[in-house]
Amino acid sequence: DSGVTQTPKHLITATGQRVTLRCSPRSGDLSVYWYQQSLDQGLQFLIQYYNGEERAKGNILERFSAQQFPDLHSELNLSSLELGDSALYFCASSVGEDGRGTDTQYFGPGTRLTVL
Amino acid sequence: AQSVAQPEDQVNVAEGNPLTVKCTYSVSGNPYLFWYVQYPNRGLQFLLKYITGDNLVKGSYGFEAEFNKSQTSFHLKKPSALVSDSALYFCAVRDMDYGGSQGNLIFGKGTKLSVKP
Repeated sequence: DSGVTQTPKHLITATGQRVTLRCSPRSGDLSVYWYQQSLDQGLQFLIQYYNGEERAKGNILERFSAQQFPDLHSELNLSSLELGDSALYFCASSVGEDGRGTDTQYFGPGTRLTVL
Repeated sequence: AQSVAQPEDQVNVAEGNPLTVKCTYSVSGNPYLFWYVQYPNRGLQFLLKYITGDNLVKGSYGFEAEFNKSQTSFHLKKPSALVSDSALYFCAVRDMDYGGSQGNLIFGKGTKLSVKP
């Protein structure tokens, strides 16, 4: 158990809908990262927050957004869902901002999103 | 741009035999390299990382990895495989290119390890 929690574990919804995925980092970690794992794209970085502020951005669609709250939990919002958004969404956390790139990221169990 | 390659989609090993899962990398500066394991229906578990120093890195569950700068490789190894080691293994490099995604992990496609009794 990494100490990172994600809810829900599974989510089934329809095209065009909006969902919210939630992540709580390990105790003491200030950075939260979101990744998407799909069969065709593999594991891809979406976005990072550090202490409430957006820190880095990857291949995140404009239909997707995220935020990190004062208690450091994070939410990933996915809107106007398409079939291709079906994937496993992981949250990870690390202790600091990791500007040097040496921090370890610890991953949660993921949320499996199925868009029908 | 930073990248990693895992040349084998699947590795098959008999229990008790040594195992190697290969990873090669391409970076423009110092390589910060990681190995993670994913069991079915589970998240990624951190195994080990190379930042600097000794080329042989020891990690969790008896795994180790050898950093080879001249061959730009970071192969994962274990002296004696267990059936319970069967899982999907990912090599990753930290994205240190200056830009919007700096500092985050770039993953290989993964290698499925199958250990037979």
